[in-house]
Amino acid sequence: DADVTQTPRNRITKTGKRIMLECSQTKGHDRMYWYRQDPGLGLRLIYYSFDVKDINKGEISDGYSVSRQAQAKFSLSLESAIPNQTALYFCATSDPRDRYSPLYNEQFFGPGTRLTVL
Amino acid sequence: GENVEQHPSTLSVQEGDSAVIKCTYSDSASNYFPWYKQELGKGPQLIIDIRSNVGEKKDQRIAVTLNKTAKHFSLHITETQPEDSAVYFCAASNPGGYQKVTFGTGTKLQVIP
Repeated sequence: DADVTQTPRNRITKTGKRIMLECSQTKGHDRMYWYRQDPGLGLRLIYYSFDVKDINKGEISDGYSVSRQAQAKFSLSLESAIPNQTALYFCATSDPRDRYSPLYNEQFFGPGTRLTVL
Repeated sequence: GENVEQHPSTLSVQEGDSAVIKCTYSDSASNYFPWYKQELGKGPQLIIDIRSNVGEKKDQRIAVTLNKTAKHFSLHITETQPEDSAVYFCAASNPGGYQKVTFGTGTKLQVIP
């Protein structure tokens, strides 16, 4: 089973609609991230969360909100979707518990959600 | 903040040839440089990384080099195979309290059989 799952995998919606993308992980990691990927722009950070009570804005948070319902769940919402939010969205996790562990800096990505806003 | 530039954006090589992807970074405080491979329909996956106290690291057919003075690092893939076809992202990180990772814009590698 996948360690980081995202639902839905594909979504087409209309301008103005509210959309929620969900992410679940079984890795037991405290830190979770939401990125968007656009052609030619790479991966850009939207929000990140250190734990259930710690949520922070990334470089492109405008128009988005998040909810950390549990250690394993991190949801991204578009309150009123607009066409330039059409992109591929990725959730990721990381494990900060051991600074000297090879896993300390590695981010584990979900399979992505392709969102189209018409 | 950190800025990571990656070149080329697309790269086509014949099977068996080598491929090189280059990145530059701007923040001298960055000290961790991972490379991620994204296969079609999947999320990026770490393939190799290098820390700033090391100049080169190799893992079978892939190697990374780092020049801290010039602030650039490169990914080298030798004896390329069709399964190496993917999008590759470089990244730079200052693993302080936040572990902020700044990604490059990606290189689409096509290995022609």
